[in-house]
Amino acid sequence: AIQLTQSPSTLSASVGDRVTITCRASQGISSALAWYQQTPGKAPRLLIYDASSLESGVPSRFSGSGSGTDFTLTIRSLQPEDFATYYCQQFNTYPLLTFGGGTKVEIK
Amino acid sequence: QVHLVQSGAEVNKPGASVRVSCKASGNIFSSFGLHWVRQAPGQRLEWLGWINAGNGNTRYSQKFQGRVTLTRDTSATTAYMELSSLRSEDTAVYYCARVLEGSGALDYWGQGTLVTVTS
Repeated sequence: AIQLTQSPSTLSASVGDRVTITCRASQGISSALAWYQQTPGKAPRLLIYDASSLESGVPSRFSGSGSGTDFTLTIRSLQPEDFATYYCQQFNTYPLLTFGGGTKVEIK
Repeated sequence: QVHLVQSGAEVNKPGASVRVSCKASGNIFSSFGLHWVRQAPGQRLEWLGWINAGNGNTRYSQKFQGRVTLTRDTSATTAYMELSSLRSEDTAVYYCARVLEGSGALDYWGQGTLVTVTS
C-alpha cells in the first residue's frame, strides 16, 4: 500500500509568512494527489487536486506542485483563517485512497 | 451545488453494529462516486471504502474488509455505511464525501457523524 509522509507535523508561522508543506509518497503516484484544509470540528475542504489544480473558490495564495513522489503545498501569504491542519491524499490506486498524517499550522 | 447530509451522532456498545446515512441533494445521485472516511480523535483521516452510487459497485479498505458494508438507495438518493463488531477504537467522526469527476479528489463532504463506542 502507498504511504504518504507529511512534513513538518507542526509548523509555527505568522500572518503574512510564506508557508511550505511537503508530502512524500512511498512510490510514484504521477500527479494523483490532493490537498485539504481542516479546522477543528469541520469536515476537510478540498484546496488542490491533481497536484496543482486550484479548486473553485479557493484563494489564489494556495498553490500545489510536484509529481512522482514529492509534492508541495505553498501558502503565499498566510492569513488568519489559514491556521488549520492540512492533509495530502493520493488517488493513484483509485478507488483505494490514502491520506497523509497532517500538518498543523499554528500561530507563532 | 451538492449537499451531503449525514445522520446524527450514535452511541453504541462494543460488539454492536452502527449504520450511518448520507443523503445527497443538488445533483444526479446515480453519477456519484461516494467515499467514506473516518477520523478518530486527534488522528489522521482514514479511508474505509467507496461505492459507485449508479451500479452499487464497492471497494473496501483491507483493514475494514469483512466489517464494513456500503450500500445505497437510489430512489432516496442516500448512501449507507454499516460497521459491525464495533470496538472502542472505532470511536470517530465518520464522513461521506463525493469524488470530483475526472479526478480522485473529494470535493463535497458531509458534515460528519460522531460514533462513540462505549460499554
